[in-house]
Amino acid sequence: GGIITQTPKFLIGQEGQKLTLKCQQNFNHDTMYWYRQDSGKGLRLIYYSITENDLQKGDLSEGYDASREKKSSFSLTVTSAQKNEMAVFLCASSILGGQNTLYFGAGTRLSVL
Amino acid sequence: QQQVRQSPQSLTVWEGETAILNCSYEDSTFDYFPWYHQFPGESPALLIAIRPVSNKKEDGRFTIFFNKREKKFSLHIADSQPGDSATYFCAASASNYQLIWGSGTKLIIKP
Repeated sequence: GGIITQTPKFLIGQEGQKLTLKCQQNFNHDTMYWYRQDSGKGLRLIYYSITENDLQKGDLSEGYDASREKKSSFSLTVTSAQKNEMAVFLCASSILGGQNTLYFGAGTRLSVL
Repeated sequence: QQQVRQSPQSLTVWEGETAILNCSYEDSTFDYFPWYHQFPGESPALLIAIRPVSNKKEDGRFTIFFNKREKKFSLHIADSQPGDSATYFCAASASNYQLIWGSGTKLIIKP
């Protein structure tokens, strides 16, 4: 079995701050995803990466950057944190694409003061 | 249109009853339909999935019914248990890298 590790678990930022979230997977999966989940809501796709050095925008990419430095890691940057923003950012990976099981990390909980 | 509609938003059933969660879609190119569940404080995890070569997929107490003509699919949870209480998400994919997610159904099973 494998695991997806997201760091940090909790992130408190200031309005306007640039914040970086990291994700590592040891499944040796090709495809990785970043989703945002607001309290009581569904999952919205921010960015995904088909393979190393690939980046694809999701519906919610505005205000975010992403980087797939190597096959096992995928980072997400909030370019300018919005005041009172609160959400959970979920990283996921799959063997190749959405038609295989997505495995999720435990999430990073973001609060912006 | 790439959208998956899910209903109801919340559902409460008594222990032992069958819970029925519904989804519909419009894009006829979708060919993979998974259901994920998410327990409070945890991340989503795959529960069961179906491809439209069949109209039914069973895994224990969990069954997906698929209606290609009406573009609908549903999750039936038989003999519901309190431990089944969670949020359930349906999704759909069209042979590419993206999953299109429904908005979720919060299921509560009362003992």
